[in-house]
Amino acid sequence: GQQVMQIPQYQHVQEGEDFTTYCNSSTTLSNIQWYKQRPGGHPVFLIQLVKSGEVKKQKRLTFQFGEAKKNSSLHITATQTTDVGTYFCAGLTGGGADGLTFGKGTHLIIQP
Amino acid sequence: DGGITQSPKYLFRKEGQNVTLSCEQNLNHDAMYWYRQDPGQGLRLIYYSQIVNDFQKGDIAEGYSVSREKKESFPLTVTSAQKNPTAFYLCASRTYSNQPQHFGDGTRLSIL
Repeated sequence: GQQVMQIPQYQHVQEGEDFTTYCNSSTTLSNIQWYKQRPGGHPVFLIQLVKSGEVKKQKRLTFQFGEAKKNSSLHITATQTTDVGTYFCAGLTGGGADGLTFGKGTHLIIQP
Repeated sequence: DGGITQSPKYLFRKEGQNVTLSCEQNLNHDAMYWYRQDPGQGLRLIYYSQIVNDFQKGDIAEGYSVSREKKESFPLTVTSAQKNPTAFYLCASRTYSNQPQHFGDGTRLSIL
């Protein structure tokens, strides 16, 4: 079945440093979605990428979708304490099976 | 306010007991999902339903059951056959297949 690998599992950064999480799929994706889960909370949708090579920005967050539509990344510039949480990628194959396949997430820990 | 309501927030199960987690949405979404999240881990799909009176098993359906008698409701029963039920359970819904999922606040289930 489809697998979505996400690295690193944990990332400690000093406040103000940059952060990147990477997502790789074993199969080609029709789209990829990114979610953020604050400690004790539920996942909240951030963005969806659909096109090969697509790049989208949300303030300090930059999302990329690979040319082959099998990998993606989320980069945060100059992290702030409000960025703390777990970032999940979730891939949709577009085939007969419904539901997203979530990566295991990257836990971002920020030291002031 | 439109959204997804999960109840209860905390639930305790005795050995050999079945318990039912409630999930209600007023977003008029067609599809609904149940995920299990273990501490520090990603989301694993238990069951999903794309239309009323129809549902499919996800990756970890054993020991769980669902029903979808109404569009708004997708309750999950954790049966006594599920030997390790302690986890955070998340319900989600979406309109159609390439749209993001909206999550409820979750139910934390523990064993007494």
